[in-house]
Amino acid sequence: GQNIDQPTEMTATEGAIVQINCTYQTSGFNGLFWYQQHAGEAPTFLSYNVLDGLEEKGRFSSFLSRSKGYSYLLLKELQMKDSASYLCAVSPADSWGKFQFGAGTQVVVTP
Amino acid sequence: NAGVMQNPRHLVRRRGQEARLRCSPMKGHSHVYWYRQLPEEGLKFMVYLQKENIIDESGMPKERFSAEFPKEGPSILRIQQVVRGDSAAYFCASSPGPDGGAAEPYSGNTIYFGEGSWLTVV
Repeated sequence: GQNIDQPTEMTATEGAIVQINCTYQTSGFNGLFWYQQHAGEAPTFLSYNVLDGLEEKGRFSSFLSRSKGYSYLLLKELQMKDSASYLCAVSPADSWGKFQFGAGTQVVVTP
Repeated sequence: NAGVMQNPRHLVRRRGQEARLRCSPMKGHSHVYWYRQLPEEGLKFMVYLQKENIIDESGMPKERFSAEFPKEGPSILRIQQVVRGDSAAYFCASSPGPDGGAAEPYSGNTIYFGEGSWLTVV
């Protein structure tokens, strides 16, 4: 099975950088995903890593190390609207779409 | 380009009643997934369906819960004889599937979520 761990909450000020770590233990691996979820809304796709390294997309970047079972999501130039829960999810190799989600990291951006 | 459509957005049921949640996948997507999110918890996989087929229902409770994705019409998640513990947000997601499909703005490997249906059992 899979076990996905990420911090419960992080606080940062507007304009700063925050790094959200995610570690996973999996019996098979087909990619790691990050989603953003505002309270009462649907998760929205942010990034996808299947190979080791850094994927950059605007203010958001995601990194993956498969050998370490580790990923992080980097949020730069934080804005108030970035206050949300960030979900780390692993797609197992044996079942498409059956994502295993972490409990989410609540990011609070303060003025 | 309409996204994944779910209805109702909010549903209130008394204990013992039935709840039916509907999901229409994104255009060009033939694979549907249902997830449940309990308060203060992460999303939990329930079931994966293609048209007229249940591919993986390993996350579905053994009793009272069923899902279908008929040839015509939306996918339906049905909860019979609801109990207070069923109160949660139920999210549907869709994808073109591992064999590709319609052009994706990000990656053909991800799944896209609907706005969710919030079930409250009183």
